[in-house]
Amino acid sequence: DAGVTQSPTHLIKTRGQQVTLRCSPKSGHDTVSWYQQALGQGPQFIFQYYEEEERQRGNFPDRFSGHQFPNYSSELNVNALLLGDSALYLCASAQGPSGNTIYFGEGSWLTVV
Amino acid sequence: GESVGLHLPTLSVQEGDNSIINCAYSNSASDYFIWYKQESGKGPQFIIDIRSNMDKRQGQRVTVLLNKTVKHLSLQIAATQPGDSAVYFCAENPTGGGNKLTFGTGTQLKVEL
Repeated sequence: DAGVTQSPTHLIKTRGQQVTLRCSPKSGHDTVSWYQQALGQGPQFIFQYYEEEERQRGNFPDRFSGHQFPNYSSELNVNALLLGDSALYLCASAQGPSGNTIYFGEGSWLTVV
Repeated sequence: GESVGLHLPTLSVQEGDNSIINCAYSNSASDYFIWYKQESGKGPQFIIDIRSNMDKRQGQRVTVLLNKTVKHLSLQIAATQPGDSAVYFCAENPTGGGNKLTFGTGTQLKVEL
């Protein structure tokens, strides 16, 4: 049973560029959330997708956007990258939009130079 | 805003001893709490969860205690092993909060041989 899988594992981008990160949820899960984790900090909630719609959003600017596909996989897009966007981006999945155990992937390390 | 905080940033224990990691939360609307373990360079790994209608829950070598009166959580690890060395996060999920988790900054557990 595959867990939450994310790609790429590491990437380097230049300020002002755009990046797309991908996530496949754990088998049987239909809800995907994205988190940003800066070095030495706890993860910060970006947004949650369920039934292909953004259901909840944290305190992140519109430069952060996402998408969920019919197969429940998801993408996180970040436009106009800033140096401060350098972080570990984590995808989490769950069965249903609330109340069930949330599992995380290994993350995508983004470095903005 | 509401937050989840941890009392001790670093905890050092001897191999074989029991470990106790504490966590305070401030959102009285939270009804679901999760402990995660995060090893260096990896994503958070689910350890154990507890809902607000319970005071205690046990897993394999781990126990979570919830004191709603003082808004306090603890994670007890029995017979701590070197493989338990990691950063431990508690996370809270408020009622109606979807899968949005609020994390603290984490406690680094170091197991000494």
